[in-house]
Amino acid sequence: AQSVTQPDIHITVSEGASLELRCNYSYGATPYLFWYVQSPGQGLQLLLKYFSGDTLVQGIKGFEAEFKRSQSSFNLRKPSVHWSDAAEYFCAVALGAGSYQLTFGKGTKLSVIP
Amino acid sequence: NAGVTQTPKFQVLKTGQSMTLQCAQDMNHEYMSWYRQDPGMGLRLIHYSVGAGITDQGEVPNGYNVSRSTTEDFPLRLLSAAPSQTSVYFCASSRLAGQSSYNEQFFGPGTRLTVL
Repeated sequence: AQSVTQPDIHITVSEGASLELRCNYSYGATPYLFWYVQSPGQGLQLLLKYFSGDTLVQGIKGFEAEFKRSQSSFNLRKPSVHWSDAAEYFCAVALGAGSYQLTFGKGTKLSVIP
Repeated sequence: NAGVTQTPKFQVLKTGQSMTLQCAQDMNHEYMSWYRQDPGMGLRLIHYSVGAGITDQGEVPNGYNVSRSTTEDFPLRLLSAAPSQTSVYFCASSRLAGQSSYNEQFFGPGTRLTVL
């Protein structure tokens, strides 16, 4: 069965600093990859997704992620963090076209120091 | 267009009580699903449906029932609540896509359930 690992439970960064959140997946083929953000007390919002093609994908709110097949990774990055980015971030995978079941990582909570 | 709506937002039950969590979407999405979110566990799939009259189990289905009589609604039933079902429950929906594509899933705001 596929699995998703987010090694960092909690990350704290200063406002204006760069950010990288790690995500590794375990699956025989290339799955569909997603990053979601959850603000406190809110539902999940899709930041970006990777299906195929260019391995660097751009998302909303200035986020980007890079798919590295050799490392089975899909790390999320942002060059300059804003206080409003404080939230919990989830990496997720779907097995591929026609499969809608998402497997989520356990999440990384981001705190931002003003 | 309200998207995915869930009611109630909060609920407290006693062990053994039953209740139904409501989920509705107005986007004519064929696919709907229920997840539970527990601290340090991420989201785990409970049940899902690819259309009216069709449901299937996800990763953690025990203790939950679902039905899909209409495209719009996908209620989640707890027949006899247990403290282990204390969690935040999210409903999601999406269009079904072809075999070479994928459609984004939209999530509701969640229902926070406490079982005493």
